[in-house]
Amino acid sequence: GAGVSQSPSNKVTEKGKDVELRCDPISGHTALYWYRQRLGQGLEFLIYFQGNSAPDKSGLPSDRFSAERTGESVSTLTIQRTQQEDSAVYLCASSFSGGAGQFFGPGTRLTVL
Amino acid sequence: KQEVTQIPAALSVPEGENLVLNCSFTDSAIYNLQWFRQDPGKGLTSLLLIQSSQREQTSGRLNASLDKSSGRSTLYIAASQPGDSATYLCAVDTAQGGSEKLVFGKGTKLTVNP
Repeated sequence: GAGVSQSPSNKVTEKGKDVELRCDPISGHTALYWYRQRLGQGLEFLIYFQGNSAPDKSGLPSDRFSAERTGESVSTLTIQRTQQEDSAVYLCASSFSGGAGQFFGPGTRLTVL
Repeated sequence: KQEVTQIPAALSVPEGENLVLNCSFTDSAIYNLQWFRQDPGKGLTSLLLIQSSQREQTSGRLNASLDKSSGRSTLYIAASQPGDSATYLCAVDTAQGGSEKLVFGKGTKLTVNP
């Protein structure tokens, strides 16, 4: 497909388990972003990749959160030892760098029981 | 720290009305400003992107303006339709510290009544 894709679309997990969320950006987009949207709240920035490097990780809420990007393409966001407050929709976006607009995927809805 | 505010938080109008959504931001050092719509349970759809050097962008019934010096943008929707019902989000690309992250407002929830 031509757009940003994310998997899974929904994930239900138990408190304390680890989860991995995947993002496939638009082909050729050098920049990739992760955001989080908790119920009733605005979107929060998590991390920004330029190529495979992450020059801005300032939004990661704790050391339980990590992300990587490989091949200047796919990215994985990992949350270790999930907590109930991690429940949210996790959105991925990609763009060309240099102030080009960002295009968002459909999100992964994470529910931690 | 960049902050984005959207007014009103919610808006309900009858079909056919022209309407304006407002967005303000505190730091004028931006690359661009982007308007999105979000339907319930869905991701974000990009509507319009205005670069910092531009004053406005138009797409169909939508027109967005940008006044960077005063930290304001408006989204004008002409001849509103029930299908326009959604939450509209304004976001600025912060151009700070080598990052290109977006800072979002909390959105305006629009309901267009038939």
